[in-house]
Amino acid sequence: GAVVSQHPSRVICKSGTSVKIECRSLDFQATTMFWYRQFPKKSLMLMATSNEGSKATYEQGVEKDKFLINHASLTLSTLTVTSAHPEDSSFYICSARLPDAKNIQYFGAGTRLSVL
Amino acid sequence: GNSVTQMEGPVTLSEEAFLTINCTYTATGYPSLFWYVQYPGEGLQLLLKATKADDKGSNKGFEATYRKETTSFHLEKGSVQVSDSAVYFCALTLTGGGNKLTFGTGTQLKVEL
Repeated sequence: GAVVSQHPSRVICKSGTSVKIECRSLDFQATTMFWYRQFPKKSLMLMATSNEGSKATYEQGVEKDKFLINHASLTLSTLTVTSAHPEDSSFYICSARLPDAKNIQYFGAGTRLSVL
Repeated sequence: GNSVTQMEGPVTLSEEAFLTINCTYTATGYPSLFWYVQYPGEGLQLLLKATKADDKGSNKGFEATYRKETTSFHLEKGSVQVSDSAVYFCALTLTGGGNKLTFGTGTQLKVEL
C-alpha cells in the first residue's frame, strides 16, 4: 500500500522557537495532503488542507501565520509551527490522498511536539 | 455540523472474545463511513469502509454495517487476537466535502492472552 513518512517522530523545543515537520509520500504523488492535530483523548482535528503549488486551506480557528504549510512538490508537505508556545504541544499527523482514490487517505505515524 | 461519537476505552478483552466498538454519527448529508486502526508507533491505516446505507465493510475479520436508520457504524469481530491490540477510529467524509475526514476520539483495544 501507499506509504507516508513523517519526520521527526518526536521533537522537544524551547518556547519561542520554530519547528518544522515534514510529510512525504514515498511511493506515490500526492496533490493533496492534510494536517491534523490530536489532543489527548480527543479526535484528530483537521488543521488544513495542503495543495501542491498553491496556498493551503485552513480550517476555521487555525492561525495560518502560526502554522505555516508549504506543499512544494508532489511528494512533500511541511508544517512549521512558528514561535512555539507550550500550548502548541500536541501530536501532529499528516495524511496524503492518492489522486485516483478520492475518499482514502494514507497517514504518517505522527509527530509528538513538546514545547518547554 | 458533522460529528462522530465512539465508545470510550480502553476496551480489554481476552483472546478469542467477541468485539464490538460502537460508533454513531451526525452528518448534514450522506456520508461515507470508515474505520481506521492505529497500531503502536504507526500511522493510521484504513481498516474498512462503507459508502452507502446497508453496505457492509469487512477486512481482516472485522465488519461494520452502515445503518442509516440508527446513524451507526459499529465495528465487530468474532474472535479477537492479541495482534488486534490498537486504537480504532471511526470517521466520516461527505461527498463533495473536499475529502475532509471527521474522526471520533478513538477507542483503545487491549487483547490479553
